[in-house]
Amino acid sequence: AQSVSQHNHHVILSEAASLELGCNYSYGGTVNLFWYVQYPGQHLQLLLKYFSGDPLVKGIKGFEAEFIKSKFSFNLRKPSVQWSDTAEYFCAGSGGSYIPTFGRGTSLIVHP
Amino acid sequence: DAGVTQSPTHLIKTRGQQVTLRCSPKSGHDTVSWYQQALGQGPQFIFQYYEEEERQRGNFPDRFSGHQFPNYSSELNVNALLLGDSALYLCASVPGLAGRLDEQFFGPGTRLTVL
Repeated sequence: AQSVSQHNHHVILSEAASLELGCNYSYGGTVNLFWYVQYPGQHLQLLLKYFSGDPLVKGIKGFEAEFIKSKFSFNLRKPSVQWSDTAEYFCAGSGGSYIPTFGRGTSLIVHP
Repeated sequence: DAGVTQSPTHLIKTRGQQVTLRCSPKSGHDTVSWYQQALGQGPQFIFQYYEEEERQRGNFPDRFSGHQFPNYSSELNVNALLLGDSALYLCASVPGLAGRLDEQFFGPGTRLTVL
């Protein structure tokens, strides 16, 4: 079965710390991978996406993610977090059917 | 541009009742998907509507049904409510049926509480 798992459910960091949120997927065949973010009181929105090509993808607000096929991973990174990055982060994947599967999310709190 | 709008914002029902949630897609979008997000979980795909037909469906029972109108707005109906149906219900829209999740816009959701 297709699945996406996020290992860190709650992460607390201080401003300027580096961030890495784990995401592993289980898909057969073609996989499209995404990271979404939900800021407090706001809608779910796309941070970045991977369809094919360069495995290192850059998104908005300084976020990036690396697709490592051998590890079935798509971890999200940011070198220096800000207080405004406090949010819920969701990894998602889709295969050929385009039906998306979301991970359970990681709650990130950044202390100023 | 109003984006994706949903109504109502919050809803409280009792077990066994029926509920209807509404969604208006972003301007220019004609495909609507519905998701259920239980507390502490990620969104789960319920189904997708395009040209007034259900095109894809996730692993949800027939108690969950929907409708799309000619103006692309959509309704989600849930019959015989269970306590486990309590969740945030998200609507998302996208232009066309190509499944371009990177172009998907989400609404604010409807919080359903079943007592």
